[in-house]
Amino acid sequence: DAGVTQSPTHLIKTRGQQVTLRCSPKSGHDTVSWYQQALGQGPQFIFQYYEEEERQRGNFPDRFSGHQFPNYSSELNVNALLLGDSALYLCASSLSLGARTGELFFGEGSRLTVL
Amino acid sequence: GQNIDQPTEMTATEGAIVQINCTYQTSGFNGLFWYQQHAGEAPTFLSYNVLDGLEEKGRFSSFLSRSKGYSYLLLKELQMKDSASYLCAVNDYKLSFGAGTTVTVRA
Repeated sequence: DAGVTQSPTHLIKTRGQQVTLRCSPKSGHDTVSWYQQALGQGPQFIFQYYEEEERQRGNFPDRFSGHQFPNYSSELNVNALLLGDSALYLCASSLSLGARTGELFFGEGSRLTVL
Repeated sequence: GQNIDQPTEMTATEGAIVQINCTYQTSGFNGLFWYQQHAGEAPTFLSYNVLDGLEEKGRFSSFLSRSKGYSYLLLKELQMKDSASYLCAVNDYKLSFGAGTTVTVRA
């Protein structure tokens, strides 16, 4: 049973560029959440997708956008990259329990470096 | 908003016990999770508390007091492989994480 898979694992961009990160959830999961984790910090919630719609959003600017596909996979897009966007981007999948979030299963993350 | 506090670092010796405290103030509450994260790796699930009291899982136990907005993770019989960051996360319809506690186990 494949767990959560993310791609790419590492990437380097320059300021002002755009990036797309991809995530395939664990089999049977229908909800995908994205987190940003800076070095030495805990994961910060970006947004959550369920039934192809953004269900919740954290305190991130509109440069951060996402999408969920009918097969539950998801993309995170970041436009106009800033140096401060350098971080580990974690995708986590879960099974929706009504309005609650169930246990999150994390992928290995995409390490983004902005130069 | 959310406010989740836990100590930044803790050090203990192999075989000892360490208790990591977490206090929280969140707009909603549907349980509290503890995750373990080794350097350069993804967080992995350790425990979940939704009712007050102690949940025991082998060498790891977690306690919750909802009225006090308080939880702790107890690591017993510490092993070198327990050196990691431990993340407290509150489920308020999404998971909100604390900054993590780095535990270093010394021989």
